[in-house]
This record gives sequence, structure tokens and C-alpha cells, in this order.
Amino acid sequence: DAGVTQSPTHLIKTRGQQVTLRCSPKSGHDTVSWYQQALGQGPQFIFQYYEEEERQRGNFPDRFSGHQFPNYSSELNVNALLLGDSALYLCASSSTGRREKLFFGSGTQLSVL
Amino acid sequence: AQSVTQLGSHVSVSEGALVLLRCNYSSSVPPYLFWYVQYPNQGLQLLLKYTTGATLVKGINGFEAEFKKSETSFHLTKPSAHMSDAAEYFCAVSPSGAGSYQLTFGKGTKLSVIP
Repeated sequence: DAGVTQSPTHLIKTRGQQVTLRCSPKSGHDTVSWYQQALGQGPQFIFQYYEEEERQRGNFPDRFSGHQFPNYSSELNVNALLLGDSALYLCASSSTGRREKLFFGSGTQLSVL
Repeated sequence: AQSVTQLGSHVSVSEGALVLLRCNYSSSVPPYLFWYVQYPNQGLQLLLKYTTGATLVKGINGFEAEFKKSETSFHLTKPSAHMSDAAEYFCAVSPSGAGSYQLTFGKGTKLSVIP
């Protein structure tokens, strides 16, 4: 049984560009959350998707947007990249009724030059 | 609003010694509490969690933590450190009950184990 898979594993972009990160949840999970982990910091909650809608959002600007597809996979989009967006982006999945039990992927390391 | 404070960004212990990683939280509602471990270039793995019931929680790899409401603490312990325990550890809190389980993490404590 595959766990949470994220792609790509590494990405290099320049300021002002746009980026799309992808996540496939663990089998049987229907809820996807995204976190940003800056170097030396704990992960920060970006948003959560369930039933193809954004359900909760952390303190992130509108440049950060997402999508969930009918197969429960998800995308994170970041527009107008800033140097400060350089971070490890983690996807976590969970299931209805057990949303406190998150399974994390290995993340996408985004570098903005 | 919730917050997590992990005392000590870096802790070193000798192999076989007691591991104690400290976590204090602030929450306006009864919390759920978690400890996660992160190995280099990997995602987060759940060590243990407190939701309701017994306040002493046992997790994987011999770790345990005790929820102390009066002290707003959820310290992580392991009686005897092993070299494979070297990693970064994160304490996290979320509001209890039905909801989004949006986690608020501390800044992490890097554990080094000295042979």
C-alpha cells in the first residue's frame, strides 16, 4: 500500500514564476492538507481540502491556492514566487472520522532564486 | 489561538541515557497533542498522540509522553536512547472535537545521540 506520494521531490524556480506541486493521498484517505516548512522551522498549515473544496486555511496570502480532484489527489499552486517561498512543502492525508491521524509525504523541496 | 513552545532547539544525550524533550502548549480549547519525528530528507512520522482518556500515552520506538493539563505540558521521554533516535522531533497541537485538525507545530528539537 503506497503512502502519501508527492511530486516533484525537488524544484528550482526564479522569482515571479509560478509553481504547481502535486500530492496523492494514502489509499482510503479523502482529506488532504498542505504545510510549508521553512529551514529550521516547524511546518505551518497552509490549507486543507475535503470533497474538492478548501475547508480550512492558515495565514497564507492568496498567491497560495489549491485544488482537489475527484480521486482525492491535490495540487498546490503558488503564483508570483518570492525568495521567502523557498521551503519544504509537505502534503498530509487523513480519512473522514480519523482526521487527527495524519500521514505525511516526504515533501517537495522548492528553491526560489 | 494555539501555540507550541519546545524548550531547547538542540538536545544531546549519550547512548543508553534518558531522553527528555520538552513541550508546552497554549490552547483556548481542550487540545489534541502530538509528537512527530522527522529524519533527514523525509516527511513527518507520528510517534504518539493524546486525544482523550489516559494521560500517559505510549508510542512507537519506546517513546511515551504525559499530558499534564495543570502544567500545559506534553513532554516526550524514552528511558534509553539509541543511535537510531537521532532526528528532529516536533510537538504539535490541534483543537479537539470534530473539525479540521489543523496542526500547529513547535519549532522542533534536534536530538543527537552520542555513542
